[in-house]
Amino acid sequence: DQQVKQNSPSLSVQEGRISILNCDYTNSMFDYFLWYKKYPAEGPTFLISISSIKDKNEDGRFTVFLNKSAKHLSLHIVPSQPGDSAVYFCAASSPSSGGSQGNLIFGKGTKLSVKP
Amino acid sequence: KAGVTQTPRYLIKTRGQQVTLSCSPISGHRSVSWYQQTPGQGLQFLFEYFSETQRNKGNFPGRFSGRQFSNSRSEMNVSTLELGDSALYLCASSSGLATNEKLFFGSGTQLSVL
Repeated sequence: DQQVKQNSPSLSVQEGRISILNCDYTNSMFDYFLWYKKYPAEGPTFLISISSIKDKNEDGRFTVFLNKSAKHLSLHIVPSQPGDSAVYFCAASSPSSGGSQGNLIFGKGTKLSVKP
Repeated sequence: KAGVTQTPRYLIKTRGQQVTLSCSPISGHRSVSWYQQTPGQGLQFLFEYFSETQRNKGNFPGRFSGRQFSNSRSEMNVSTLELGDSALYLCASSSGLATNEKLFFGSGTQLSVL
């Protein structure tokens, strides 16, 4: 059973507009959430994260919102740029991973295309 | 600072063979995690090593194994390869000392099983 779900496999947005990528999770024990971006032939790179004690975290053009009651988080990119075109992965971690810091539960990703 | 290095970049094997993949973490990082990425399943956690000890393990069969050396370099081995093992194998490193650290990923090894 998938614990982290990204229900939109793809998203197309015009340059300059807002991109909103969504992620749902089922495990209420998750206490930390991350977004990674992946270009073809490269490994994922960290984008932004949020702790479960917060509902918003902002870093430049990127903002992540967390709605714990709905078990939902979203990544907003404003304004979107063609260089943002990539696959975006939502990931979560919980304290029950036995102290391991490397065990993240990933969604299947959303491919974002930003058109000039 | 050099990033996470994975070798080889590409591998082609046949069913029944075994394969060993290598990962060199960022200098100073002691935790190495391995993930399998397939189009249908996304990234799935295989295992994590910290200071030469396996600290956590995902839900993969025993054919998948790993180890970590004293210099923190890690290897992953898959024995008796199956067609379904075709995937991108990603390695990630972190210090392993703090909670909720971000992971730094390598570019991966693309394994094709024929």
